[in-house]
Amino acid sequence: EAGVTQSPRYAVLQEGQAVSFWCDPISGHDTLYWYQQPRDQGPQLLVYFRDEAVIDNSQLPSDRFSAVRPKGTNSTLKIQSAKQGDTATYLCASSRLGVYEQYFGPGTRLTVL
Amino acid sequence: TQTVSQSDAHVTVFEGDSVELRCNYSYGGSIYLSWYIQHHGHGLQFLLKYYSGNPVVQGVNGFEAEFSKSDSSFHLRKASVHWSDSAVYFCAVSPITGNTGKLIFGLGTTLQVQP
Repeated sequence: EAGVTQSPRYAVLQEGQAVSFWCDPISGHDTLYWYQQPRDQGPQLLVYFRDEAVIDNSQLPSDRFSAVRPKGTNSTLKIQSAKQGDTATYLCASSRLGVYEQYFGPGTRLTVL
Repeated sequence: TQTVSQSDAHVTVFEGDSVELRCNYSYGGSIYLSWYIQHHGHGLQFLLKYYSGNPVVQGVNGFEAEFSKSDSSFHLRKASVHWSDSAVYFCAVSPITGNTGKLIFGLGTTLQVQP
């Protein structure tokens, strides 16, 4: 079974630029999570989906961040106007409903200059 | 408020030594506890989990963890470490209520295994 894939693996931006991250979860996994992991910290949940529906986006900075999962499979996380404080690794994970084990992708390492 | 505390930011041992990585949590309801490992430049990988039953659970690669309700702890142990165990280890809790599967992570413990 293929794992969770993410692209790009790295991104370097100037403040104010936009960037999109893409995630392809494990086939059959109905739940998809996006985490932000600042350097030397644990992952912090930004948003998660069950199929195409957003279940919780309370930690997503809504003025600049957006996330979609239109067909309940792949997902895109977008930062509209990046700030230096957004520098972090962005991790995507997927799981099956009721299974408390998540499978993580390799992450996208974002640096905002 | 749910919190996960990993008291040691860094642990250094020699190959063949035993190791214990500590995790304490604070949460008022039923939770699911787990440990994940993150090698440098990679995503997190699941190691083991606990919800109920035998408080000592076995995971991959010789890892085990012990749940203690009285101490609100879920410490991870390995009897004999290998250099490839060098990584960052994250403890996580997931509230059972709502069946969300959300994970709340600690800050992580970096384990360095010296030859």
